[in-house]
Amino acid sequence: DGGITQSPKYLFRKEGQNVTLSCEQNLNHDAMYWYRQDPGQGLRLIYYSQIVNDFQKGDIAEGYSVSREKKESFPLTVTSAQKNPTAFYLCASSLRQADYGYTFGSGTRLTVV
Amino acid sequence: ILNVEQSPQSLHVQEGDSTNFTCSFPSSNFYALHWYRWETAKSPEALFVMTLNGDEKKKGRISATLNTKEGYSYLYIKGSQPEDSATYLCATFTGNQFYFGTGTSLTVIP
Repeated sequence: DGGITQSPKYLFRKEGQNVTLSCEQNLNHDAMYWYRQDPGQGLRLIYYSQIVNDFQKGDIAEGYSVSREKKESFPLTVTSAQKNPTAFYLCASSLRQADYGYTFGSGTRLTVV
Repeated sequence: ILNVEQSPQSLHVQEGDSTNFTCSFPSSNFYALHWYRWETAKSPEALFVMTLNGDEKKKGRISATLNTKEGYSYLYIKGSQPEDSATYLCATFTGNQFYFGTGTSLTVIP
């Protein structure tokens, strides 16, 4: 079955360490996205990519980095520069942004201690 | 950053009741509106993609309407069932990216 796989489900890291969240899709979608969810807030866009080797910053890109070397994969690195990294992170993909709904992964909950 | 508002924040209804909730968004630069259902411990699932003013979409007992001129969409659930318990998210696309509301959490009491 096609879908998006995010791993791991839960991640604990010490403050000051970089951490990479994995997102893989086998839907042949061109576009992929990373969102962050905090309590009481809507999903906020961190980065998105509409094509391999190209990506754009979203509203809250500071302290994060991404790569898109393969169509299937869009890993997100949370760097030590991110001031409040503890959050729930969702990856999504779509055929085209507005015309089709997103397919979401199941999320990674990152806790930095 | 666009302000997308959903109301109410949470809702408890009895099984069999019909219910509805609202998504409000700025009407300028509107391209599309999406509704998602997000059950606990699962991934958000796309319900509807709406683009035209006056659009009405239906999937089983769930339907949605769109008014792009005044900037709102309604989601209706007829005869709520316990399996409808979830958070319902809306997101509006302005040409560059989607902006999500905070969701309406629905609990259907058997």
